[in-house]
Amino acid sequence: DAGVIQSPRHEVTEMGQEVTLRCKPISGHNSLFWYRQTMMRGLELLIYFNNNVPIDDSGMPEDRFSAKMPNASFSTLKIQPSEPRDSAVYFCASRPQTGDTEAFFGQGTRLTVV
Amino acid sequence: AQRVTQPEKLLSVFKGAPVELKCNYSYSGSPELFWYVQYSRQRLQLLLRHISRESIKGFTADLNKGETSFHLKKPFAQEEDSAMYYCALSGYQGGKLIFGQGTELSVKP
Repeated sequence: DAGVIQSPRHEVTEMGQEVTLRCKPISGHNSLFWYRQTMMRGLELLIYFNNNVPIDDSGMPEDRFSAKMPNASFSTLKIQPSEPRDSAVYFCASRPQTGDTEAFFGQGTRLTVV
Repeated sequence: AQRVTQPEKLLSVFKGAPVELKCNYSYSGSPELFWYVQYSRQRLQLLLRHISRESIKGFTADLNKGETSFHLKKPFAQEEDSAMYYCALSGYQGGKLIFGQGTELSVKP
């Protein structure tokens, strides 16, 4: 398995534009997490899914953020409209729901909103 | 409420010195505690977890339920240990996985 795959690796966009980040979890992992990493706040959990169902989205900062998981092999995090303060590195991680609870991370998407 | 606190944003030591990265947590129930490491320009990866009780790259961490702490220790730091370290918590057998703010460890020659 190639591990958790995120795209794009880098994204530069103008304020007000829509941004979509993508994640492909490891096959067979039923839990998927989205995190935002900043110097000030560290690694914040935005939302997590179990078996494609959003379980806890209390970390999503505003209505401008939304996440979907239409099937077990794909998830998106969308920001619409984007703002400069959304600039951060966004990580996706997956792990099995039970058993070995190690989470595996993607390489992240570095988002810059100008 | 679940919470992980890492009080130090930056810890700077000299090579060969002992290292202790602090982690305190808040959780009602039986938590599973982890330490993840992020080397420069690489993805986060698991360093160790409390249920394994193992030493990885010379690092150990003991869960102290009385003090609700899971501090990471290494007796002799190496330059290659320089990285960002995150303490993390989840319930047993999966569920929400939350992280502390991270501590940047800098080991000087």
